[in-house]
Amino acid sequence: SQQGEEDPQALSIQEGENATMNCSYKTSINNLQWYRQNSGRGLVHLILIRSNEREKHSGRLRVTLDTSKKSSSLLITASRAADTASYFCATDVRQGAQKLVFGQGTRLTINP
Amino acid sequence: DVKVTQSSRYLVKRTGEKVFLECVQDMDHENMFWYRQDPGLGLRLIYFSYDVKMKEKGDIPEGYSVSREKKERFSLILESASTNQTSMYLCASSLWGLNYGYTFGSGTRLTVV
Repeated sequence: SQQGEEDPQALSIQEGENATMNCSYKTSINNLQWYRQNSGRGLVHLILIRSNEREKHSGRLRVTLDTSKKSSSLLITASRAADTASYFCATDVRQGAQKLVFGQGTRLTINP
Repeated sequence: DVKVTQSSRYLVKRTGEKVFLECVQDMDHENMFWYRQDPGLGLRLIYFSYDVKMKEKGDIPEGYSVSREKKERFSLILESASTNQTSMYLCASSLWGLNYGYTFGSGTRLTVV
């Protein structure tokens, strides 16, 4: 069952620019999370935003959540070559389940 | 440094073999999960466990089973491997309760020939 869907599927920008990725989901959530995956490796947890929060920051990352539109965005400011990776949003199901459902990801490429 | 360790990075197995994928976490997490990741399909949940000896089916459990005899170890078993089970397998763990992130292992790339 697909809950989160990222947009765009791929994004290529120049180093130093900002990168914005979007995520839409279908059902009520407790929280929404963003993960990064470097090529061929496991996922790394970046940030979690709760359903009663609208914005959250962590270093160069800014996440927003609009529960009325069932959407979230991840902004990476002042991008670096090391930010090249796939980024996934994940949502949990509101009925107490703790499993996460992942989107298909946005492939971000930072060009030097 | 806390982590989730998957026993193999790469595995090649023959069709019909019984395959064991092992996952160990050192964070005393209650929850453990097995996902598979395929191009164009994203991550799909196979099985998860909230406690020792407890398991629940995810979205695609067919052809798989799991075992959790100890809190730190969660094994994924392919009873009779098939070529359509060629995939990247990812193990993850998390604390019990809402609003916790997952810690993932590095993944096992399984090829069934």
